[in-house]
Amino acid sequence: DAGVTQSPTHLIKTRGQQVTLRCSPISGHKSVSWYQQVLGQGPQFIFQYYEKEERGRGNFPDRFSARQFPNYSSELNVNALLLGDSALYLCASSLGVRSAYEQYFGPGTRLTVT
Amino acid sequence: QKEVEQNSGPLSVPEGAIASLNCTYSDRGSQSFFWYRQYSGKSPELIMSIYSNGDKEDGRFTAQLNKASQYVSLLIRDSQPSDSATYLCAVIAGTYKYIFGTGTRLKVLA
Repeated sequence: DAGVTQSPTHLIKTRGQQVTLRCSPISGHKSVSWYQQVLGQGPQFIFQYYEKEERGRGNFPDRFSARQFPNYSSELNVNALLLGDSALYLCASSLGVRSAYEQYFGPGTRLTVT
Repeated sequence: QKEVEQNSGPLSVPEGAIASLNCTYSDRGSQSFFWYRQYSGKSPELIMSIYSNGDKEDGRFTAQLNKASQYVSLLIRDSQPSDSATYLCAVIAGTYKYIFGTGTRLKVLA
């Protein structure tokens, strides 16, 4: 079975621009979560979606938004990019939102803001 | 106080030894705990999950949970150089929010 896929792999943007990152979950998984990971830190929770509804949001500004589509794939949008948004953006999928469900990560999108 | 704390390391162990990785968490209501392995430049890979007090074994890996002490650990037996990576502890806070520690860097010396 295919794992979580993300696109693009790498991205270079300029301050003030907007970016869209994409994620396809493992087949059968209905929940997608987004994380930001900067060097030397653990992943920081941004959003969780389940059945196309936002179920959780981390401590990120409104410049960050996301959505989930009927096929359970997801997009993360970041507007008005700042240098500090440079990071590895990770998508993780799980069967659902119950606390017992394990999350599996995609390979990530490396975003560089110049 | 950080929600999930790990010693950043590096933790160096000789090949064949037992590596012991530790994690403490602040939310006493947490019920689900996970260990991920992350190689440099790669995404985290799930190693173990544990939900009940006690030990859970999977091959060379053993996760230990003590909810009263708010402590979870990972033991790696017969450590191999290929185990050299950063190990992330994660805890679910509430119903959905994964909180990760900063990770412990493990070096297994051949």
